[in-house]
Amino acid sequence: QQQVKQSPQSLIVQKGGISIINCAYENTAFDYFPWYQQFPGKGPALLIAIRPDVSEKKEGRFTISFNKSAKQFSLHIMDSQPGDSATYFCAARALRGSTLGRLYFGRGTQLTVWP
Amino acid sequence: GAGVSQSPSNKVTEKGKDVELRCDPISGHTALYWYRQSLGQGLEFLIYFQGNSAPDKSGLPSDRFSAERTGGSVSTLTIQRTQQEDSAVYLCASSFLGGSGANVLTFGAGSRLTVL
Repeated sequence: QQQVKQSPQSLIVQKGGISIINCAYENTAFDYFPWYQQFPGKGPALLIAIRPDVSEKKEGRFTISFNKSAKQFSLHIMDSQPGDSATYFCAARALRGSTLGRLYFGRGTQLTVWP
Repeated sequence: GAGVSQSPSNKVTEKGKDVELRCDPISGHTALYWYRQSLGQGLEFLIYFQGNSAPDKSGLPSDRFSAERTGGSVSTLTIQRTQQEDSAVYLCASSFLGGSGANVLTFGAGSRLTVL
């Protein structure tokens, strides 16, 4: 079954607007949550990541919000730009236990930012 | 090398043929992963190597799929008797094990497989 559930599947935002992508998980062994960005014809690239000991992490226009009790985390892209148009994947990884090394991905969100 | 290199970038094959996909990870990265990306299906985990051993191969979809890694470096994913449902982009990633770099997977551009 899908270990990490991501929504929406697609998102259209006006330039300058805020893009919000949400993810949820069930496995409490997950303790590392990265977001990857993928452009057409390229492999995914790490964008930003968070550990559950903090509730928010910001890097430039990109912010992860993390709610440990709800087992949810989200990516916010402030002042969205056409160059942000890409597919975004949330992911989760257990840093201990038998699944060590395996990154579980959401199904992805295709973001389009209109100029 | 500077990044993860995958070959071929594109492969078109006939149903029933065998294919080999190659991944050359970043030098010094001891962990190597294979994922499969199908349209609308996200990234599906296939197998994970730590050095030359594969502690997690639970994602391989059938016994037609196999992978090996030699010398702690290059890995080959082999698909025997290909089927049309094997058509996808096969992505390889590598990372350090341990330390702050252990969490960062660097992906290659992928090998697009089309089975006719």
